[in-house]
Amino acid sequence: DIVMTQSPDSLAVSLGERATINCKSSQSVLYSSNNKNYLAWYQQKPGQPPKVLINWASTRESGVPDRFSGSGSGTDFTLTISSLQAEDVAIYHCQQYYATPPTFGQGTKVEIK
Amino acid sequence: EVQVLESGGGLMYPGGSLRLSCAASGITFKNYVMSWVRQAPGKGLEWVSVISGSGSLTNYADSVKGRFTISRDNSKSTLFLQMNSLTAEDTAVYYCASDSGYCSGNSCYSRWFDPWGQGILVTVSS
Repeated sequence: DIVMTQSPDSLAVSLGERATINCKSSQSVLYSSNNKNYLAWYQQKPGQPPKVLINWASTRESGVPDRFSGSGSGTDFTLTISSLQAEDVAIYHCQQYYATPPTFGQGTKVEIK
Repeated sequence: EVQVLESGGGLMYPGGSLRLSCAASGITFKNYVMSWVRQAPGKGLEWVSVISGSGSLTNYADSVKGRFTISRDNSKSTLFLQMNSLTAEDTAVYYCASDSGYCSGNSCYSRWFDPWGQGILVTVSS
């Protein structure tokens, strides 16, 4: 199975500041035939199910604020919240869908400093 | 709006069985690949199983293979997860989710999951 490792496990960021979450896969999730990275990011607010924010490593889902952006390729990926808002307090998960089984990172908890 | 709602969880002793259900609305259910994903207390998300729109193709995580069975009733827009030989390691919140992947040939290929149900808690304890 592909192991997904996120860092840090938690971070506290001031309102309006940038939050950066990293995700590393144990093998490349870049499919060479279509040059797509098979990686998604989710936001899980307290007491709620996860909600997909980004797929294909950098494509925002409809309705997701543009302060959320995804980047990276191969084995190293980043989710950036450009200006943290109070409603962004959540756990963020990365997930690869390059191989079966699809696997998730352990999650990164984002809090307000 | 697509909605999915799980039911059937609860407390079960080790070795017991439970059947989870997931009712979907707002979609032509038979057209959707569906998955179960679980989250143990304080742990990350773990994909459990996937089923094709017709129900003819399924796949399972190694941790549940041979014990869990995924199925669906498209006439009732309902997804099921039959869980047998439960152990404490199966204690988790179980989510059903629409899987944006596809099934072809003999396999299903999951992609991202959206939307998710609210989740149902399954506790396995003596």
